[in-house]
Amino acid sequence: KQEVTQIPAALSVPEGENLVLNCSFTDSAIYNLQWFRQDPGKGLTSLLLIQSSQREQTSGRLNASLDKSSGRSTLYIAASQPGDSATYLCAAIDNYGQNFVFGPGTRLSVLP
Amino acid sequence: DTGVSQNPRHKITKRGQNVTFRCDPISEHNRLYWYRQTLGQGPEFLTYFQNEAQLEKSRLLSDRFSAERPKGSFSTLEIQRTEQGDSAMYLCASQNTEAFFGQGTRLTVV
Repeated sequence: KQEVTQIPAALSVPEGENLVLNCSFTDSAIYNLQWFRQDPGKGLTSLLLIQSSQREQTSGRLNASLDKSSGRSTLYIAASQPGDSATYLCAAIDNYGQNFVFGPGTRLSVLP
Repeated sequence: DTGVSQNPRHKITKRGQNVTFRCDPISEHNRLYWYRQTLGQGPEFLTYFQNEAQLEKSRLLSDRFSAERPKGSFSTLEIQRTEQGDSAMYLCASQNTEAFFGQGTRLTVV
């Protein structure tokens, strides 16, 4: 059974810092890995999708990497801004692309 | 708005009542998912449709829960005889390759 963990559970940084969020999964036979952002009381917003044949994806100030062999993905946020404050969730997607297993999330606060 | 739409956004109901939620996916997406999320946790898988066929159901989906997707378009999730433990955010997602989520329906059972 796939299990996904995220470290740290919470992170508070001053504006402008670069930061890394970590995601680990137990079963390396994943189809894709997707990172999401969730604002309080809201749904999930897709940030980046990394397909199993890819090693990383970039969008603006965000870069996500995937190492299937070690069961890890990282989300790098450059030059953080207060508007980046949210919970960041990763989801490992099974080998048939049908089932998303989510981590508990990292709650990020960027202080002005 | 061409994203995933969920209605209602909030629902407060008395214990024992039945509730129904609706999800309108992105029109060209064949796959539709329902998830449940409680405070401080990641979403937990409930069920999955490929077009109108319900292909997988979680053990979390007790016999009080039923989901449909008639004609492979919108989907409904019904909870019968609600319990306080059903209080949660219910999220719907649709997918081709990348998954897109709706804003969720927050259910409070009092």
